[in-house]
Amino acid sequence: GIQVEQSPPDLILQEGANSTLRCNFSDSVNNLQWFHQNPWGQLINLFYIPSGTKQNGRLSATTVATERYSLLYISSSQTTDSGVYFCAVEPFFGNEKLTFGTGTRLTIIP
Amino acid sequence: EAGVTQFPSHSVIEKGQTVTLRCDPISGHDNLYWYRRVMGKEIKFLLHFVKESKQDESGMPNNRFLAERTGGTYSTLKVQPAELEDSGVYFCASSQEGGTEAFFGQGTRLTVV
Repeated sequence: GIQVEQSPPDLILQEGANSTLRCNFSDSVNNLQWFHQNPWGQLINLFYIPSGTKQNGRLSATTVATERYSLLYISSSQTTDSGVYFCAVEPFFGNEKLTFGTGTRLTIIP
Repeated sequence: EAGVTQFPSHSVIEKGQTVTLRCDPISGHDNLYWYRRVMGKEIKFLLHFVKESKQDESGMPNNRFLAERTGGTYSTLKVQPAELEDSGVYFCASSQEGGTEAFFGQGTRLTVV
């Protein structure tokens, strides 16, 4: 099946810093989504971005489908940004189920 | 518009007991999925309903897990009997016909002691 790798696995930053999270995938995809799992375990949709670039406030994401990677940018980090960020993909010839990466644990220090 | 809703948010049960998790998808979404994250590992697919039919249940770990979606609306996931390794967070997601963006519920944290 499709492989999804996220880097870095852990990231500790001072409040106000910027960060870039990466997601590499091994095959063509129909769907790519970024999620934030907050400290309470809730999985929050961030972006639906099978290709191109999107921005939502301090967050933006870019997927380069031809090179099989996606980047999530967080600017001016806040402590509420802490948690685990997951990338999930649906293969191009898949069956509508998402395969998740192992996540990046982001800790923002005040 | 209400999002995907899951009940309960947290359940603590003893090994050998039965637990039933419920998921109410976004209204009008034909696709309903169950996923889970156990022991801090990656989130794994369990199964996929299209309306009331099981489209794919390849991720169900064993026959102690039973999912239903009667009438094509809400879904239940029953674990009977629960084992310690079933502890984790169970997520439900839904999407429109054609399977575009999936929207996730807040999850049910299951703790088996």
